[in-house]
Amino acid sequence: EIVMTQSPATLSVSPGERATLSCRASQSVSSNLAWYQQKPGQAPRLLIYGASTRATGIPARFSGSGSGTEFTLTISSLQSEDFAVYYCQQYNNWPPGTFGGGTKVEIK
Amino acid sequence: EVQLVESGGGLVQPGRSLRLSCAASGFTFDDYAMHWVRQAPGKGLEWVSGISWNSGSIGYADSVKGRFTISRDNAKNSLYLQMNSLRAEDTALYYCAKGSSGSGYMFDYWGQGTLVTVSS
Repeated sequence: EIVMTQSPATLSVSPGERATLSCRASQSVSSNLAWYQQKPGQAPRLLIYGASTRATGIPARFSGSGSGTEFTLTISSLQSEDFAVYYCQQYNNWPPGTFGGGTKVEIK
Repeated sequence: EVQLVESGGGLVQPGRSLRLSCAASGFTFDDYAMHWVRQAPGKGLEWVSGISWNSGSIGYADSVKGRFTISRDNAKNSLYLQMNSLRAEDTALYYCAKGSSGSGYMFDYWGQGTLVTVSS
């Protein structure tokens, strides 16, 4: 089973600053990597798929990059509504479609 | 508008069974794979099970294999999860999730979840 490791576990950022989240796979997942955002009390929402393609309706301040085993989610200028937990998920090797442990982006 | 509405959760004793349902609308249900993903209280996401559009391909997480059974009824636009021999560690919010069109194995829409609590 592919293990997905996210870092850091918690990221403290001021509004308007850039946030960079990392996700590492234990073996190559090609570009079959998705990012989800989850706010308290809400279901996850798809942000990015194919490592770098924004899902429908996702603002341009969210961008994804990487391939193989190393991936990054960047939020260029944090807005108040962006403080949430972010999960990466590989869907290259199935089953299972493993998730990372999450990165909580909190207000500094 | 895509809608996924889960139901069937509740408090159940260890060793007992529960059946979850997910009612789908707003898309052509029988064109897409569907999945169950769970989240234990205060924890991360865990994929539980998935089923292809025609039920021809089914997968389970090792943690539930042999105890849970996924199924779907395309005529009723519904997804199900039969959960047997429940354990305390199955306590979680269970989400129904739609597989995307590009890859059936990532999730472009999610329901709000139904809570399953396994406790004596």
